[in-house]
Amino acid sequence: AQSVAQPEDQVNVAEGNPLTVKCTYSVSGNPYLFWYVQYPNRGLQFLLKYITGDNLVKGSYGFEAEFNKSQTSFHLKKPSALVSDSALYFCAVRERYSGAGSYQLTFGKGTKLSVIP
Amino acid sequence: SAVISQKPSRDICQRGTSLTIQCQVDSQVTMMFWYRQQPGQSLTLIATANQGSEATYESGFVIDKFPISRPNLTFSTLTVSNMSPEDSSIYLCSVEGGAETQYFGPGTRLLVL
Repeated sequence: AQSVAQPEDQVNVAEGNPLTVKCTYSVSGNPYLFWYVQYPNRGLQFLLKYITGDNLVKGSYGFEAEFNKSQTSFHLKKPSALVSDSALYFCAVRERYSGAGSYQLTFGKGTKLSVIP
Repeated sequence: SAVISQKPSRDICQRGTSLTIQCQVDSQVTMMFWYRQQPGQSLTLIATANQGSEATYESGFVIDKFPISRPNLTFSTLTVSNMSPEDSSIYLCSVEGGAETQYFGPGTRLLVL
């Protein structure tokens, strides 16, 4: 079974400061890892993913995430937070394709990011 | 990435009634998914809908309660049947948009009174 943990329900950061949203995962094989963002009254927007290759992946809106296999983590980061980054962030995992049913994404509970002006 | 629309965007329904949610994609896709997001909660997969075959339901979800249609490669519907207040949620469809990535629609916000 696969699972995702986002240990912080809420993260507060001052505008202009770096931000980190934490995510750890568990899968039986090699993972595909994703970050999505949900703005109020909106659907989920894809931010970035790790499939293979370079452990540091860059995505939309200046966000990046680092895949750390030994720590089974995939923390989301941004060097300088904007007020407009305030939203709900979801980490998701699925096992690298190995047959029927393996397209299922498992989501974390979400972390609410508040960027304070 | 795929562009996905859902109808209705929101609805308020009476208990015991049914609501059908539509999901339209701007390109042909093999796999479509339906998720539920209960208030303050994460997303839970309801079922996977492939064109030309029966939907595959996850544990805790049954076809009688959540019948799904997938008549072609760009469209799917999810019906929430015999609704109760516990069905109040956001329902989202998603598609496997290539490069191992799922893209999501804007969601349907359902309130059952």
